[in-house]
Amino acid sequence: AAGVIQSPRHLIKEKRETATLKCYPIPRHDTVYWYQQGPGQDPQFLISFYEKMQSDKGSIPDRFSAQQFSDYHSELNMSSLELGDSALYFCASSLGSMGQLGNTGELFFGEGSRLTVL
Amino acid sequence: GQQVMQIPQYQHVQEGEDFTTYCNSSTTLSNIQWYKQRPGGHPVFLIQLVKSGEVKKQKRLTFQFGEAKKNSSLHITATQTTDVGTYFCAGYYGGATNKLIFGTGTLLAVQP
Repeated sequence: AAGVIQSPRHLIKEKRETATLKCYPIPRHDTVYWYQQGPGQDPQFLISFYEKMQSDKGSIPDRFSAQQFSDYHSELNMSSLELGDSALYFCASSLGSMGQLGNTGELFFGEGSRLTVL
Repeated sequence: GQQVMQIPQYQHVQEGEDFTTYCNSSTTLSNIQWYKQRPGGHPVFLIQLVKSGEVKKQKRLTFQFGEAKKNSSLHITATQTTDVGTYFCAGYYGGATNKLIFGTGTLLAVQP
């Protein structure tokens, strides 16, 4: 079965550079979530989109922006990268937003994109 | 703010022993989910609990949701080496929110 696809899987950037992560949700899934996970840490919620509109926002730095496109894929743009941005970035998708009636609630996670900032 | 804490942070057991992780939210939850993340892997959904006092079982795993919908637990009976990983609870607070708040996680190590 098709899963959530994230690219690139690994990237290395210098401080102050920019990076773009891409996420392709499971077909028919209309909701995308972005999480950041540092080493040994829990996933921290960054932002979510439902039907191409931002649906919730967490601890996402102002240097980061994201959007969901008409084909439901999403991109996370990170600028002025800092050493502390080094982490694993997960994208997850679901069918329907979390509060929708009948939503099973399950988030399907991609394999993640590992960002290293030098 | 909304916070979800888990204890213990780390648990090392002998294969065949039982294991329990506890999850506590600072405020009432709409529902709670549990995920397992293997080392080097991504979180994988295990279950969702919605009702106050709900108990669900999946083979050797038993999940409970507290009466006040602020805490939850995961109990594994007779652990196996395949149970190794980090177990996260993740809370959904309802309303206009569209996010899961992950707990701090419990890393389970199982010695054969």
